[in-house]
Amino acid sequence: AQSVTQLGSHVSVSEGALVLLRCNYSSSVPPYLFWYVQYPNQGLQLLLKYTSAATLVKGINGFEAEFKKSETSFHLTKPSAHMSDAAEYFCAVSDLESNFGNEKLTFGTGTRLTIIP
Amino acid sequence: DTAVSQTPKYLVTQMGNDKSIKCEQNLGHDTMYWYKQDSKKFLKIMFSYNNKELIINETVPNRFSPKSPDKAHLNLHINSLELGDSAVYFCASSQGGLAGGYNEQFFGPGTRLTVL
Repeated sequence: AQSVTQLGSHVSVSEGALVLLRCNYSSSVPPYLFWYVQYPNQGLQLLLKYTSAATLVKGINGFEAEFKKSETSFHLTKPSAHMSDAAEYFCAVSDLESNFGNEKLTFGTGTRLTIIP
Repeated sequence: DTAVSQTPKYLVTQMGNDKSIKCEQNLGHDTMYWYKQDSKKFLKIMFSYNNKELIINETVPNRFSPKSPDKAHLNLHINSLELGDSAVYFCASSQGGLAGGYNEQFFGPGTRLTVL
């Protein structure tokens, strides 16, 4: 089974500083990888996804992530943090055994991002 | 229009009761899911349905019974509620039809269930 590990359950950065949220995956074959964001009391929203095309993936709200096979990593970054980025961020992997109607997402434990004014 | 909607948003009930959560999507998707998010924010899939057919059933107690009357609806019925069932339950949907886990899942706003 595939899995993802998010290092750091809480990350605090100053407004305007670089945001780096870490995600490492475990898989014997190239996976499909996702970053989702959850704002307080809301559902999850897709930030970006890696589907074996370009290794540098750009998402919404200025976020991007780079797939590094040698490091089995898919870290999320943003050059300059905004107050509105404060949220819970989840890395997820899609089971490559997925077939029609069986697209199971396995989530990491989440990282709470706090922005310091 | 809300893409994936859930009712109710909050549900407070006593142990031993039976309750249902409803989910509807207006995206025309074929596949719907139920996820459980516990108090530590850990998200885990429970079920998935494709065109009203159960596809994924992840070792969930049989007190939980999903029902899909049509492909736009996936309801979750829970019998004999226990304290440990307290969580946020998210419904999601995706287009399906493409192998390889490519399809984006769209999530509803969640239902916060509190069992007293």
